[in-house]
Amino acid sequence: EDKVVQSPLSLVVHEGDTVTLNCSYEVTNFRSLLWYKQEKKAPTFLFMLTSSGIEKKSGRLSSILDKKELFSILNITATQTGDSAVYLCATLSPSGSARQLTFGSGTQLTVLP
Amino acid sequence: GAGVSQSPSNKVTEKGKDVELRCDPISGHTALYWYRQSLGQGLEFLIYFQGNSAPDKSGLPSDRFSAERTGGSVSTLTIQRTQQEDSAVYLCASSLLPGTVDQPQHFGDGTRLSIL
Repeated sequence: EDKVVQSPLSLVVHEGDTVTLNCSYEVTNFRSLLWYKQEKKAPTFLFMLTSSGIEKKSGRLSSILDKKELFSILNITATQTGDSAVYLCATLSPSGSARQLTFGSGTQLTVLP
Repeated sequence: GAGVSQSPSNKVTEKGKDVELRCDPISGHTALYWYRQSLGQGLEFLIYFQGNSAPDKSGLPSDRFSAERTGGSVSTLTIQRTQQEDSAVYLCASSLLPGTVDQPQHFGDGTRLSIL
């Protein structure tokens, strides 16, 4: 059974801090790993990582994938209160025609002013 | 539309009733997915529609759950004879048709279903 494990489960930091969120996975037929940010409602897409060692960056957020060690990290620098959310990691490992995502349980990030 | 649209945003119903949840995907997205997010649980895949192909129903938890997608666009998820354990947020996502290049899934705000 495919498994995605995120750590830590929750994290409380102060504005300006840098955080690193972890995601490890054990999946068959791995294709891609995705990061989402979920505030009140819809998970918002952040990154999709397919190749090992290539950093993806968007503003203060960056992410990288290690396909040998089967993990990914999401970094957020100079955190702001608006970064408070649940960060979800998911793997895409289709069988047949399916393209469903397998999600981790998420990391609840709280950024205090 | 600009994003995935789901309705209703909230639904409260009595145990044993049937419910229908609606999803309108992003225009041009031919792949559509339903997920369920229960309290304290991660997102759980339910069903996947790709273009005109037969849907992948491997995630549906019981035969009380069904979904259809008419005209390759709007989808409805139906839960018959609802049970209290069906209480959850039901999320719909859509993407461009996956091929040799994977496509990110974009989510709607979900329908919060509460079974009394």
